This record gives sequence, C-alpha cells and structure tokens, in this order.
Amino acid sequence: DAKTTQPNSMESNEEEPVHLPCNHSTISGTDYIHWYRQLPSQGPEYVIHGLTSNVNNRMASLAIAEDRKSSTLILHRATLRDAAVYYCILDSNTGKLIFGQGTTLQVKP
Amino acid sequence: SAVISQKPSRDICQRGTSLTIQCQVDSQVTMMFWYRQQPGQSLTLIATANQGSEATYESGFVIDKFPISRPNLTFSTLTVSNMSPEDSSIYLCSVEGIGTDNYEQYFGPGTRLTVT
Repeated sequence: DAKTTQPNSMESNEEEPVHLPCNHSTISGTDYIHWYRQLPSQGPEYVIHGLTSNVNNRMASLAIAEDRKSSTLILHRATLRDAAVYYCILDSNTGKLIFGQGTTLQVKP
Repeated sequence: SAVISQKPSRDICQRGTSLTIQCQVDSQVTMMFWYRQQPGQSLTLIATANQGSEATYESGFVIDKFPISRPNLTFSTLTVSNMSPEDSSIYLCSVEGIGTDNYEQYFGPGTRLTVT
C-alpha cells in the first residue's frame, strides 16, 4: 500500500478553519484517499474520502491536488470537539486500512 | 450506520492465558476486520475476518497467536493466545459494507487488554 506523510501535530483556534495536509506521492491510480479521525478513548470514525475531485460533506471538505500526490482535509470551523488524531489513508478498494501516525489536532478556546 | 459492540470492554489477564474478544454488529456486513492499538501508537491491522473461511492475516500476525472466527455476517471473535505483557493493547473490530455505504468503515469501542 502506498504511504502517506502527515505532520505530527497542529494547533488551531476555536471557530477558525483548519487545513490538515497529507502527502502521498506514490499514490496509484486506483487508490482512494480516506480520512478518519480518532477522538480520545474512542475508535476511529470516518470523516471523508475521495478519488480525484474535491469532496464536501457535513463534517469536512477534501481538497485533492490535480496530480493526486497530496490532499488537504478542511474543517471549516473548528470546535473543541474536533480535537482528535486525524489519519490520511490510501485504499485501493480492498477495505484494508493501513494507519500511519496521523496528525494530532489541538483546538484552543 | 452501524452499532458495534465488543465484549469485554476491558480485562486484566495473567501471562500465559488466553482471552476471546467478541464483536457484534446490529446489521449484516460484508467485511469485518480486527486491529490492535498499542499504548500511544496508531492502529495496526491484524486480519480480515472472512465469513465461512479462515481469516486473512497481515504480516507479523499468525493464526496460532490470534485465532479468529466469523460464523455469520454479524459476529466475529478474536482470541489472543498465550498472552504476554507485550500483548497489552486496545483491540478493535471494524466493519464495512453496510447498505450502500461500501466505503465507510465503522469501528467498535475497543477492548482494553492488560496482561500482567
């Protein structure tokens, strides 16, 4: 499976937008880009996924670079409840999620 | 969405013993997976639980140590055998393939295992 690279940690202020980057330079044409997050003491939860086009849902937006070698998860207005570890994962539709270390997001009031 | 329960939620076990963890889903699912999350670490995929056949294990995990059963489309068990302190982790099951949501995985709350 292709690997992803994310910053170890990021900080944000409450009610401000957050841009979480992910590099995946070895992505293949069939790899989907998935984002999951893990809140403290909980199992991971799905955030969003995409293949080529930018995607929006009620939780976030996913911006995918034209060459697909990087992507950015956008939280439009961070809340304290968004403090979590965010994982960027590539999956070629096998269902097997290979988690990296993720980005720990801190949200300051 | 799916509601996933795991039993037990936590346990403290002595080395050399075995523990079986149960994962129950409230609807039929296509795929079920087992993960391990060691303290302060990310999740590691242990295996894919296949219904009616042997599980598919990832590199570094073997059936003798982590036997898995999946008798139907809503239930699976993971056994941690001959435990050592290094097996102290959170074990999570996940499912995929609910209705039309074939891309979203749902995770259980996890089983926190401490081996003394």
